[in-house]
Amino acid sequence: DVKVTQSSRYLVKRTGEKVFLECVQDMDHENMFWYRQDPGLGLRLIYFSYDVKMKEKGDIPEGYSVSREKKERFSLILESASTNQTSMYLCASRLGTGILNTEAFFGQGTRLTVV
Amino acid sequence: AQKITQTQPGMFVQEKEAVTLDCTYDTSDPSYGLFWYKQPSSGEMIFLIYQGSYDQQNATEGRYSLNFQKARKSANLVISASQLGDSAMYFCAMREKNTDKLIFGTGTRLQVFP
Repeated sequence: DVKVTQSSRYLVKRTGEKVFLECVQDMDHENMFWYRQDPGLGLRLIYFSYDVKMKEKGDIPEGYSVSREKKERFSLILESASTNQTSMYLCASRLGTGILNTEAFFGQGTRLTVV
Repeated sequence: AQKITQTQPGMFVQEKEAVTLDCTYDTSDPSYGLFWYKQPSSGEMIFLIYQGSYDQQNATEGRYSLNFQKARKSANLVISASQLGDSAMYFCAMREKNTDKLIFGTGTRLQVFP
């Protein structure tokens, strides 16, 4: 069974803290993604990664960075958390660069609250 | 630029009726894929159906079918014989071949009533 695991389901952090959200997949997928989901705004792409050590900015990268040192792990970093980063964060992975018809598999989500 | 638009924030449908959820997209890449996902209140994202830009026929998966109109850049999801368990958020998504980005629309909340 395919699996994408996010390290925390719920997280509460203080303004200004450095926050790490971890995502691990066990499917040997090349592509991994970080999204945030907010009511009325859908899923917005923060960053994605083609492969190890490769990353691309999505539509809303400001205030975030990512790390992909190993193929199975993709980390989202909030350098200095702010209250407007309170959101649901979803990680996804997908097989194959340039292969169109492969679906993305999602983690269970991390609900981050910044106080 | 790559873009997905879902103009229906919410839809209601009676059980056993069919419902169409709208999705339009914009891309300059001739090669792309379109996806629909379901997100129940539990929060998990469930893949429903895929349509490729070069597919000649509309995709179907059980009660789900995709009304793909390439010239109009629309990829509407049709759910036949709605069930109470179909109540959820539905997201349309697109992947371009030359960028590999996967972007989503804002979603439609479907509520099925008895």
